Amino acid sequence: AQSVTQLGSHVSVSEGALVLLRCNYSSSVPPYLFWYVQYPNQGLQLLLKYTTGATLVKGINGFEAEFKKSETSFHLTKPSAHMSDAAEYFCAVSEAGTASKLTFGTGTRLQVTL
Amino acid sequence: DTGVSQDPRHKITKRGQNVTFRCDPISEHNRLYWYRQTLGQGPEFLTYFQNEAQLEKSRLLSDRFSAERPKGSFSTLEIQRTEQGDSAMYLCASSSPIGQPTNTGELFFGEGSRLTVL
Repeated sequence: AQSVTQLGSHVSVSEGALVLLRCNYSSSVPPYLFWYVQYPNQGLQLLLKYTTGATLVKGINGFEAEFKKSETSFHLTKPSAHMSDAAEYFCAVSEAGTASKLTFGTGTRLQVTL
Repeated sequence: DTGVSQDPRHKITKRGQNVTFRCDPISEHNRLYWYRQTLGQGPEFLTYFQNEAQLEKSRLLSDRFSAERPKGSFSTLEIQRTEQGDSAMYLCASSSPIGQPTNTGELFFGEGSRLTVL
């Protein structure tokens, strides 16, 4: 079985500050890893994904994440927060190569203050 | 391509009534997924189809819930005898066939159907 743990249900940063959202996963097989963003009353939009190859992946809106197998982590970062980044962020895992269902974490709400 | 479409976006019903949600996936996608999301939680897997075959169902999908995809295109999710605990956002997602270059494991989500049971 796969699982995802997102540390910190709420994170608050100042505009222009570093954003760091934490994600740890558990998987018995090589994983695919994803970060999705959700704005109020909307569906989920893919920010970035790790499948194979380079462990540092870049996504939309200046976000990036690094797959660290030894730490079973896939933390999301952005060098400089913008007010428009305020949203709910979800980390998800699936089994590599099967395009099977995604298992999501409980989410982290990012607040950006002036 | 208009993406994944869900209807209705919002549904308010009284306890005990039946409700049905519809999902139209991206046209070339053969896999279709249903998730449920309650307030402050991440999406929870309910079931998925490959073409018209329902390949997996979660234990969350009680016998009051039924999902169909009769022609391998759109899907419906019906909830019978709704309870207040069914209030949630019901999300539909689709993905392209395994083995195709377009399939990199991600799911494409619709805007969701929000159910409120009074």
